[in-house]
Amino acid sequence: EPEVTQTPSHQVTQMGQEVILRCVPISNHLYFYWYRQILGQKVEFLVSFYNNEISEKSEIFDDQFSVERPDGSNFTLKIRSTKLEDSAMYFCASASGRDAFISNEQFFGPGTRLTVL
Amino acid sequence: GQQLNQSPQSMFIQEGEDVSMNCTSSSIFNTWLWYKQDPGEGPVLLIALYKAGELTSNGRLTAQFGITRKDSFLNISASIPSDVGIYFCAGSYNTDKLIFGTGTRLQVFP
Repeated sequence: EPEVTQTPSHQVTQMGQEVILRCVPISNHLYFYWYRQILGQKVEFLVSFYNNEISEKSEIFDDQFSVERPDGSNFTLKIRSTKLEDSAMYFCASASGRDAFISNEQFFGPGTRLTVL
Repeated sequence: GQQLNQSPQSMFIQEGEDVSMNCTSSSIFNTWLWYKQDPGEGPVLLIALYKAGELTSNGRLTAQFGITRKDSFLNISASIPSDVGIYFCAGSYNTDKLIFGTGTRLQVFP
């Protein structure tokens, strides 16, 4: 069964450093998302991406964050200058988008645990 | 902003028992999804609901989209040890941004 994959599984970085989290969405999907989950809390939406541009972003997704689909398979989240409060699990998700309803069936990757020291 | 509250917050049940959990919102949604999350892993989609009043099953799981469009429930029948995990509802309204609930932690004892 096709699945979303993410690398690395765990990233440790120093405050102020840049990190890039990588995702390979399910191959025929058209809609891509990043969510984050601070330890013990609920999952929070960061950004949605379709047709090579951001379609929606949350207040969390400030100028320090950016997303890119550099080729036909990868989808990345970059945090330019990490802060302590960026420590969380970051989940990539994708949806097929065959119609307006189906795009809501989002399939999540296993996540990248980001630890900022 | 939109918030989804789930109850109960946690449940401790005996294997074989049925489970019921729900999710409520102060605002309406036009899609409800239920996910299960195991420790250290990503949410796994269980059931998707698209119409008010809709009742959908997936094996031992049954979920309903509330008539008011402000709530949804998930039932698990004849629970087994691998049902252990955190169950999240998620909703959306005219967007594909999912708002997640606060989660229900399920523990099943043999």
